[in-house]
Amino acid sequence: SQTIHQWPATLVQPVGSPLSLECTVEGTSNPNLYWYRQAAGRGLQLLFYSVGIGQISSEVPQNLSASRPQDRQFILSSKKLLLSDSGFYLCAWILAGGPHTDTQYFGPGTRLTVL
Amino acid sequence: GDSVTQMEGPVTLSEEAFLTINCTYTATGYPSLFWYVQYPGEGLQLLLKATKADDKGSNKGFEATYRKETTSFHLEKGSVQVSDSAVYFCALITSGTYKYIFGTGTRLKVLA
Repeated sequence: SQTIHQWPATLVQPVGSPLSLECTVEGTSNPNLYWYRQAAGRGLQLLFYSVGIGQISSEVPQNLSASRPQDRQFILSSKKLLLSDSGFYLCAWILAGGPHTDTQYFGPGTRLTVL
Repeated sequence: GDSVTQMEGPVTLSEEAFLTINCTYTATGYPSLFWYVQYPGEGLQLLLKATKADDKGSNKGFEATYRKETTSFHLEKGSVQVSDSAVYFCALITSGTYKYIFGTGTRLKVLA
């Protein structure tokens, strides 16, 4: 069966510090991968998605970046965090073969607090 | 562009009450429609889905029918429980795209 992992689960970082969040998927190959951010009490904001290794599409221009160094690994980074980067970060995947009907599976999330 | 509109929350109900959470959509193609549920501190889980007009998705007592004529996918449950307290998201994906479009979420609180 497929599983998705995110770490760390929680993170408290000072403004201006770097960030690295990791997401890995097990039990599937060539998934589409997604990073979302959920601000407190708000909906989901799509940040990045990837349809293959090294292929990243950015939805929101900001101080975040994403990379996909391996098929089932998706990393969210920042060189200098802002207060507004605080939120709940969710990684998700779908099977690459049929995006029209396939379910999107979410990881447990990382709660980031920038102080 | 494509969009999803959900009713504003929070929705507060007593246990065993009837639940409706409205969802309407705008899409240029023929989308698949989904309801996801998020429990406190967790990621989203698929609750139910429908892939074509007049399909009814159902799971755990929840139901939603894909209504193309009214572009709606309202979530219903006949008798809610305290354990149903969560945030519910309506979403769509259109054929040929890689992006899901989510509504803003509706918080449900069920009181014993």
